[in-house]
Amino acid sequence: QLQLQESGPGLVKPSETLSLTCTVSGGSISSSSYYWGWIRQPPGKGLEWIGSIYYSGSTYYNPSLKSRVTISVDTSKNQFSLKLSSVTAADTAVYYCARHSRRIGDYGTIGYWGQGTLVTVSS
Amino acid sequence: DIQMTQSPSSLSASVGDRVTITCRASQGISNSLAWYQQKPGKAPKLLLYAASRLESGVPSRFSGSGSGTDYTLTISSLQPEDFATYYCQQYYSTPSCTFGQGTKLEIK
Repeated sequence: QLQLQESGPGLVKPSETLSLTCTVSGGSISSSSYYWGWIRQPPGKGLEWIGSIYYSGSTYYNPSLKSRVTISVDTSKNQFSLKLSSVTAADTAVYYCARHSRRIGDYGTIGYWGQGTLVTVSS
Repeated sequence: DIQMTQSPSSLSASVGDRVTITCRASQGISNSLAWYQQKPGKAPKLLLYAASRLESGVPSRFSGSGSGTDYTLTISSLQPEDFATYYCQQYYSTPSCTFGQGTKLEIK
């Protein structure tokens, strides 16, 4: 059974860089059938796609966050990571890592999510 | 960017009721539309994709329809476990995607 687990600091100071890692277990991050992504949800609000990566290293970012986001992959560790720079209180959210399908049948769907981790931006 | 407008933002209903939630895309998305259910403190769960295909294990009381820019999620007979928040997601340019604002389904 595939599992995704986010890890990283729960508190980040304003203007600093938020860093999170997602560890994938029960499946290979090097599969050609999937993208791996980050989605966030501010408290009490809706879902926002941040960006995604393919195992080869190709990245795709939300245009509204692109200038501040870097997503990377480490296939040897079966992990991918998110860095969001120059954070403000508006970046306070639950951050989910997730898997998008590239398979013809369910192309684009997000069938697996991590449990989510709350990151608070505060001094 | 493709914007998704979901309505209503909240809905009160009773067990056994039939409810419908609507999502409108800012441009045609060729049925590249999924619906998710989210319960408090949990990650979203995929219910339907390709506008009308039921994810494995999801009860048949959930159904989806639509085409072009307009899509609907219908729950034919609400069960107690269905009270949650529902989101639509367009994935026309996967992996880029956008979500609707959500519909909170509450018990009347």
